[in-house]
Amino acid sequence: DAGVIQSPRHEVTEMGQEVTLRCKPISGHNSLFWYRQTMMRGLELLIYFNNNVPIDDSGMPEDRFSAKMPNASFSTLKIQPSEPRDSAVYFCASSSGLASDTQYFGPGTRLTVL
Amino acid sequence: AQSVAQPEDQVKVAEGNPLTVKCTYSVSGNPYLFWYVQYPNRGLQFLLKYITGDNLVKGSYGFEAEFNKSQTSFHLKKPSALVSDSALYFCAVRDQAGTALIFGKGTTLSVSS
Repeated sequence: DAGVIQSPRHEVTEMGQEVTLRCKPISGHNSLFWYRQTMMRGLELLIYFNNNVPIDDSGMPEDRFSAKMPNASFSTLKIQPSEPRDSAVYFCASSSGLASDTQYFGPGTRLTVL
Repeated sequence: AQSVAQPEDQVKVAEGNPLTVKCTYSVSGNPYLFWYVQYPNRGLQFLLKYITGDNLVKGSYGFEAEFNKSQTSFHLKKPSALVSDSALYFCAVRDQAGTALIFGKGTTLSVSS
């Protein structure tokens, strides 16, 4: 299996622009998680889906952030409009959905907002 | 509420010496506990997990961790450190209700030659 796939790996954009991050979970996994990592705040859970349905989005910073999972093999995290404080590494992870199952992480997208 | 504490921001050891990276947790009921490692500019890689059974869990790259229920700890250990073990280590917990993993702040391990 190719593991969790994220694109792009790096994104540089200007403040006010829309940013879309993409994730393809491991085939057969039915839980998907979006995390953000910064030096100041560490690793934060933004939102997670189970069977394509958002279960907990309490970590989403504000209305500028939105996430979708239109099918079992694809998810997007969108920031509109982007701000410099959104600069971070964004990780996607997936698991089989059982509480005892391991979450497998993608390589991350490094976002820089100028 | 679930929480994880990694009390040390950084651990330094010499190559060949044993290493311990500490983790304590708080969760309702029985926990599921995980250790991940992150190398620079990489994603998190799974090392090992405790689900049930034997309190000593063996994982990848010679790492092991000991679950101690009375002390609510899950310390990561390795008998002989390698320079290549230098990385950022995360402990994580989940309760049996199956909510998302809660991660600690991470501990940077530095192994000197």
